[in-house]
Order: sequence, then structure tokens, then C-alpha cells
Amino acid sequence: DIQMTQSPSTLSASVGDRVTITCRASQSISSWLAWYQQKPGKAPKLLIYKASNLERGVPSRFSGSGSGTEFTLTISSLQPDDFATYYCQQYNSYSVTFGGGTKVEIK
Amino acid sequence: QITLKESGPTLVKPTQALTLTCTFSGFSLSTSGEGVGWIRQPPGKALEWLALIFWDDDKRYSPSLQSRLTVTKDTSKNQVVLRMTNMDPVDTATYYCAHRRRSSGTTLDYWGQGTLVTVSS
Repeated sequence: DIQMTQSPSTLSASVGDRVTITCRASQSISSWLAWYQQKPGKAPKLLIYKASNLERGVPSRFSGSGSGTEFTLTISSLQPDDFATYYCQQYNSYSVTFGGGTKVEIK
Repeated sequence: QITLKESGPTLVKPTQALTLTCTFSGFSLSTSGEGVGWIRQPPGKALEWLALIFWDDDKRYSPSLQSRLTVTKDTSKNQVVLRMTNMDPVDTATYYCAHRRRSSGTTLDYWGQGTLVTVSS
């Protein structure tokens, strides 16, 4: 199984801050990585696919980068609507694994 | 417009089997490349992938749960069914189904609202 390790698990930040979340894969997954945002009581929402492609309708302050085993999600200027939990997800040979999540809290 | 909705029991007794149905619209599982996944989330915990089924009836399962899972599709009804045997209180979770975007690995671009299943005697 491919393991996905997200860090940090919790992040405290202020509106306007630049935020970076890291996801590491236990083996290379090329660029087969997606990022999701989840708010309490809601289903996850796709933000980024194939490591760096912004999903339609997602604000451009979100960006993704990386390949192989190390990936990052960056929010360039944190907005009030961005306080949520973020998950990375790998997909390799039709096997899927999610990271443990990063909760972005108000500082 | 793609929509998905999960349905099934909200309460299951330990050792019983769980059967959940995902009813979808806006795509057909008879179309090449299409797929539907199942994911669950215990209260306060992370997402966990369970299974995938594809247009060609190919199926993939989480290695840790494979022995307990069966996923099937009914193309004529636009439904996917997940069956999980030998339920335990640790299987208490919100269960989601999601659409797998074609030609993008297994990106899950549309999700159902989820259904909370409690395992308790």
C-alpha cells in the first residue's frame, strides 16, 4: 500500500497569511495527486488534480505543486472561507489512499 | 450536472452486513472511462477509500478491507451498491460515493452528501 503523510496535522493562521501544506508519498506516484477541502458536516470538495491543475471554479489563490513523492498545497492569501480541513489523495494503478488531513484554524 | 446520493440503513447491528446504494445522474456507467468510488469517514477522523467500480466492471478494493467488501453496478438504474460484511462498531462512519473523473487517474470530482451509518447493538 502507498502511505500518504500530511503535515502539519493542524495549522493556525490569520486571514491574509500564506499557507503551505505538505503531503509525502511512501513511493513515487508521479503526479497522480489530488487535494480536497472539507468543511464540517459537508462532503469533500476537489481543489487540485494531477498535482497542479486547478479545478474549475476554485479560486486562484489555491495552487498545487510537486511530483514523485513530495507535494504541496499553497493558499497564497488565506480567506475566511478557507478555514477547513484539507486532504491529499493519491491514485496509482487504481489504488487510492488519503492523507491524514490538515486542519487550518483561525489564529 | 452530475449528482450522487447515498442511501441505506442508518443503524446496523454488529456482525450484520451493510448494504448501501449510490444513485447517480448526469453520467452513465456504461460510458467508457466512467467510475464510481466509495469512501468513508469515522466521526472526527480522516477519509478512508473503500472501493472503485468502473464502466467495464473492473473493481478495486482497499487492501485492508477487501475480504469484507463487494461493489456492484446496475447500469440501467444508474446505481452502484456497496456491501460490507461483518460490521463492527469501528465501522461507524459517514459513507460517501463519488464520481471518478475520466482520463484523470482517480480524481473524485463529484461527491454525494454522505450517509451516517452507526454500528451498535
